[in-house]
Amino acid sequence: DIVMTQSPDSLAVSLGERATINCKSSQSLLSSSNNKNYLAWYQHKPGQPPKLLIYWTSTRESGVPDRFSGSGSGTDFTLTISSLQAEDVAAYYCLQHYSAPETFGPGTKVDIK
Amino acid sequence: EVQLVESGGGLVQPGGSLRLSCATSGFTFSSYWMSWVRQAPGKGLEWVANIKQDGSEKYYVDSVKGRFTISRDNAEKSLFLQMNSLRVEDTAVYYCAKDVFSVGVVGTTIGTWGQGTLVSVSS
Repeated sequence: DIVMTQSPDSLAVSLGERATINCKSSQSLLSSSNNKNYLAWYQHKPGQPPKLLIYWTSTRESGVPDRFSGSGSGTDFTLTISSLQAEDVAAYYCLQHYSAPETFGPGTKVDIK
Repeated sequence: EVQLVESGGGLVQPGGSLRLSCATSGFTFSSYWMSWVRQAPGKGLEWVANIKQDGSEKYYVDSVKGRFTISRDNAEKSLFLQMNSLRVEDTAVYYCAKDVFSVGVVGTTIGTWGQGTLVSVSS
């Protein structure tokens, strides 16, 4: 099974500042058939279902603000919130959907400093 | 509007069984991979199982293999999770989820989630 790790476990960022979350997979998530990395990012707020933010490493889901961006390739990936807003306080998870069983990272909690 | 509504959760003793259901609407159910994902109290998200559009392929996380069975009824637009031999560590909110893209798109992933149903395993 592919093991996903995330860093940091938590971070506190001032409003309007940048937040960066890292995700690492134990093997490459790059598909040779379409040259896409099968890595997604989800936002999860308490009492709500998770929300898809980004798939294929860097493609934003419809309706997701452009302050959220994803990058990376192979085994190393990053979610960046360019200017943190109060409504971005949440846990963030990466998910590899390259092979079954799909696996989530342990999550990163983002809060306001 | 896409809707996924889970039901069937509740309190069960260790070793018992439960069957979760997910009623769907607002999309062509038979065209999408569907999944179950859970979150134990105070823990992160854990992918549990998924099933192909026609039910011909099913995948499970190791911790539930042989105990849980995912299935679907395309005529009823419903997803199910039969959970047997339940353990205390299966206690979690269970989410039903549909993929972003329908049949024909390679590399799709979980897109829309239901509100979840709570399963508590305790004596």
